[in-house]
Amino acid sequence: EVQLVESGGGLVQPGGSLRLSCAASGFSFSSHWMSWVRQAPGKGLEWVTNIKEDGSETHYVDSVKGRFTISRDNAKKSLYLQLNSLRAEDTAVYYCARVDSPGAVLDYWGQGILVTVSS
Amino acid sequence: DIVMTQTPLSLSVTPGQPASISCKSSHSLLQSDGKTYLSWYLQKPGQSPLLLIYAVSNRFSGVPDRFSGSGSGTDFTLKISRVEAEDVGVYYCMQSVEPPLTFGGGTKVEIK
Repeated sequence: EVQLVESGGGLVQPGGSLRLSCAASGFSFSSHWMSWVRQAPGKGLEWVTNIKEDGSETHYVDSVKGRFTISRDNAKKSLYLQLNSLRAEDTAVYYCARVDSPGAVLDYWGQGILVTVSS
Repeated sequence: DIVMTQTPLSLSVTPGQPASISCKSSHSLLQSDGKTYLSWYLQKPGQSPLLLIYAVSNRFSGVPDRFSGSGSGTDFTLKISRVEAEDVGVYYCMQSVEPPLTFGGGTKVEIK
């Protein structure tokens, strides 16, 4: 059974940093691109970033470029998202999702972790 | 960036009746490999999104056959042949032909 479990969220002040983790199990982690998607309170889904199987290629939505960094440790079957220079508008539930290559769809999602940026 | 536009914003459906959601993209989602990178997701209240349909018309594992997808190029449709109570939630289309991946604004489906 594919499982994705996020951790590391919480309350942080504007300008602060946070590191999210996603622990994967039940599939060959090193064989899949992975993504982070976020959802602001009461809003729709926003794709944030993704990373290639071996970590050699990444993509970001413009609003987080230069502030967020996605990374992975295939040996630990873990995905990470480093959030720096956080702003109030980064407040959201952050989901880790597996990418299925045929069609680049997000076929499995974690339960999500809340990040609140507030003073 | 490719803009995804969903209509309607909300839908109230009698159980057993059909429902249809439209999704239009600002650019063609047909890739040079011949595949069209359009998928549909359902986010039930209080839950994470679930994949329903990928590559326009392919149902994901375990998705009931009352869900179907169609369309091509820039115009796509998700249909539910007979809505059931468990189908309530917000439906999103998503393009993955190029980054940034983008979602439609969502269509909220409720039961009458």
